[in-house]
Parts: sequence; C-alpha cells; structure tokens
Amino acid sequence: AQSVTQPDIHITVSEGASLELRCNYSYGATPYLFWYVQSPGQGLQLLLKYFSGDTLVQGIKGFEAEFKRSQSSFNLRKPSVHWSDAAEYFCAVGEGAGGYNKLIFGAGTRLAVHP
Amino acid sequence: AAGVIQSPRHLIKEKRETATLKCYPIPRHDTVYWYQQGPGQDPQFLISFYEKMQSDKGSIPDRFSAQQFSDYHSELNMSSLELGDSALYFCASNWAAGGSSYNEQFFGPGTRLTVL
Repeated sequence: AQSVTQPDIHITVSEGASLELRCNYSYGATPYLFWYVQSPGQGLQLLLKYFSGDTLVQGIKGFEAEFKRSQSSFNLRKPSVHWSDAAEYFCAVGEGAGGYNKLIFGAGTRLAVHP
Repeated sequence: AAGVIQSPRHLIKEKRETATLKCYPIPRHDTVYWYQQGPGQDPQFLISFYEKMQSDKGSIPDRFSAQQFSDYHSELNMSSLELGDSALYFCASNWAAGGSSYNEQFFGPGTRLTVL
C-alpha cells in the first residue's frame, strides 16, 4: 500500500521568509503527487500536482514543488511567505490508474506565519 | 465555474441516529470520492463511484453505505451513529474517463457532522 509521510507537524516562519515543506512517499511506480491547502474549517484546495514530465511544477499562489524520484520526495516551496499562507498543508499520492485516483494523504503540516 | 456541492454543510445528530450526506459533482464528472477527516486528522478515503458503480472501498464502516444515482449525485448514508463519527466529510469529483490528464479531484466544502 502506498503511504505519504510529512515529517513536520508544525512549522513557523516569519513573513517574507522562504518556506519548504517536506513530503516523502512510498510507491512502486511513478506516482501521481499532489499538494493541497486547507484553511481552518474549510475545504481542500489544490496547489499543484505532478504526474509526469518536468520534475519542477509550478502551482497557484506562488508555490512550486520538485519531484525527486531518487529521494521519493515531493517537497513544496515558496520563496517568500505571506501571512495569508498560514494554513494546513497536505501532501497526497494518487492510488489508481488513468484518471481514477483515490488520494492517500499525509498527516499534514500546519504552517504559522509570524508578522 | 461550477463546483462540487455538498449538503447539508452542518449536521448535528444524536448517537444511534441516522444521517444522509449528499454530494453533487461538477457537471460531466463521472467519478465521486468520499473522504472522512476527523478532528486534527488527515482525510481518509471511504468509498468511490465511477459511472454509478462502486469502484473502490476504503476504511468505511459497515454502518455506512453509499450510492451514486443516475444524475451522478451521490449520497452517503450513516446509521447507528457513534461519537467517533463526528468529522468533516468531503466529497470530491473528477472526470476519470478522461485519463491521467484529468485526474485532479475537485473537493466540495465538506459536511461537518457532529454526533452528540
């Protein structure tokens, strides 16, 4: 079975600082990988996804992620964090084939942003 | 653009009662997924439907059942509710028949179920 590990439960950064959220997955083949963001009490919003091609993917809100097969990682980055980025971030791997993919989520990383 | 609609948004039930959650996928999406997110937890896959047939099953209790109707909306039925069923229930949809390029799941806002 696939699994996703987000080693950092809670991260605090200062506004304007750079950010990297870690994600490691276990999967035999090339995975479908996703990053979602969730504000308190809200739904899940897709930030970006990877399923093939360029290993550096750009997403919304200035986020990017890099797929590294050798490290089984898909870390999320942002060069300059804004206070509005404070939220819970979930890394997920899609388990399935073709267009069908149920998502296996990591435990999440809660991001706090200091002014 | 149309989004995934879930109703109700909030639901309060007593133990041992039943609850029905509804999900209306984005038009032309053929697959619906249900996830359960407990307090402070990550979302857990419950069940999915493709073209009105159950396509996959996760950690869904036997007390829960679900179906997808001819108009593609889906309902999650929960019986003999327990305190531990209190959670945020998400529905997501996508166009699975479109292939891997269309595998992004669009999530609804969720239904917050509280069992007292």
